[in-house]
Amino acid sequence: AQSVTQPDIHITVSEGASLELRCNYSYGATPYLFWYVQSPGQGLQLLLKYFSGDTLVQGIKGFEAEFKRSQSSFNLRKPSVHWSDAAEYFCAVGAITGGFKTIFGAGTRLFVKA
Amino acid sequence: EPEVTQTPSHQVTQMGQEVILRCVPISNHLYFYWYRQILGQKVEFLVSFYNNEISEKSEIFDDQFSVERPDGSNFTLKIRSTKLEDSAMYFCASYIGTASSYEQYFGPGTRLTVT
Repeated sequence: AQSVTQPDIHITVSEGASLELRCNYSYGATPYLFWYVQSPGQGLQLLLKYFSGDTLVQGIKGFEAEFKRSQSSFNLRKPSVHWSDAAEYFCAVGAITGGFKTIFGAGTRLFVKA
Repeated sequence: EPEVTQTPSHQVTQMGQEVILRCVPISNHLYFYWYRQILGQKVEFLVSFYNNEISEKSEIFDDQFSVERPDGSNFTLKIRSTKLEDSAMYFCASYIGTASSYEQYFGPGTRLTVT
């Protein structure tokens, strides 16, 4: 069965420091992978997506993610975090079965300290 | 840019009442979805809908839930007799249906509070 694991429930980084959020997926075929960000009480904003091709994908707000098939990972990175990046981050995989649903990880809450 | 819209943004209802959450998917999309997010938890798939019928549903989507596309633009989620545990944010999503662009577009959500 398809699944997504985000091993870190929460992470705290200093403003200006680099960030890496981990994501591992379980999926039998070539995965369609996504990262979403959610501020408290708000909806889901798509940061970036991977369908095929270059394994390093660029997204909005200075985020990037790298697909590593051998590690079943799709980690999200940002070289310099801003206080406004504090939010919940969800990794997700698109399941190309029946209804093409999206399966979300449990999320990682990012705290940014001054 | 086209977007998915949802109404209302916040719905408060009493336990046992019926609620209908409404969504307008992107006009040329073929697949429609409902997801649920209980406060502080992850987003969970409820149901997918294609060609005027349910294509997949989760264990959460029991007989209390139903979906409908009553006209060419709206997509609704009905909860027949709400329970306290139905309190959550409900997201609608749509997908164009082509393999070249597998991406679901999410609406802003409806926060359902059951008292």
